[in-house]
Amino acid sequence: NAGVTQTPKFQVLKTGQSMTLQCAQDMNHEYMSWYRQDPGMGLRLIHYSVGAGITDQGEVPNGYNVSRSTTEDFPLRLLSAAPSQTSVYFCASSHRGVFSGANVLTFGAGSRLTVL
Amino acid sequence: GQQVMQIPQYQHVQEGEDFTTYCNSSTTLSNIQWYKQRPGGHPVFLIQLVKSGEVKKQKRLTFQFGEAKKNSSLHITATQTTDVGTYFCAGLSNFGNEKLTFGTGTRLTIIP
Repeated sequence: NAGVTQTPKFQVLKTGQSMTLQCAQDMNHEYMSWYRQDPGMGLRLIHYSVGAGITDQGEVPNGYNVSRSTTEDFPLRLLSAAPSQTSVYFCASSHRGVFSGANVLTFGAGSRLTVL
Repeated sequence: GQQVMQIPQYQHVQEGEDFTTYCNSSTTLSNIQWYKQRPGGHPVFLIQLVKSGEVKKQKRLTFQFGEAKKNSSLHITATQTTDVGTYFCAGLSNFGNEKLTFGTGTRLTIIP
């Protein structure tokens, strides 16, 4: 099992450029999410999805788009990158439900993005 | 919205000393989880607490969930260099919301 795979690991963009961070999981998890991590700010939720075709906003959604066309994939799009989006981005997934192990997040290795 | 505060932000301890981090939520939680992130790594799940007043142990780590289900703590006895990293608590709302809200984390450094 690969778990949660994120690409790319590192990316440098210029202000105004667009890009997509890819996230794929092979655990058949219903729930997928994107977090950004900034020094002293912890992990802040950008967008999440509870299943294919369903997405919703988290705490800091502005400047980011997501879609969930399959259970496995949950890409994060930056339409016009800004320096404030320089951060480390983590994709995470989990099963839904009330059984033991549900809602426990498995994280990808992270994508470090720098916007100049 | 739901907020989860964690203190302290940083903790430096001599190897062998104990360490504690505290987590407080603005709302009642259905459960609380703890994650560890090694330097340069990604968060890794440690444990989940569900019941009011619950205490769980993992070797030198002791996790507690408050009676009101609004606070939690992680205590490490006799720290080792392998304990270095940032410890995050994450709360799941008591109102059917599936979004985990993370605390700001406590970064633990060990002085050998």
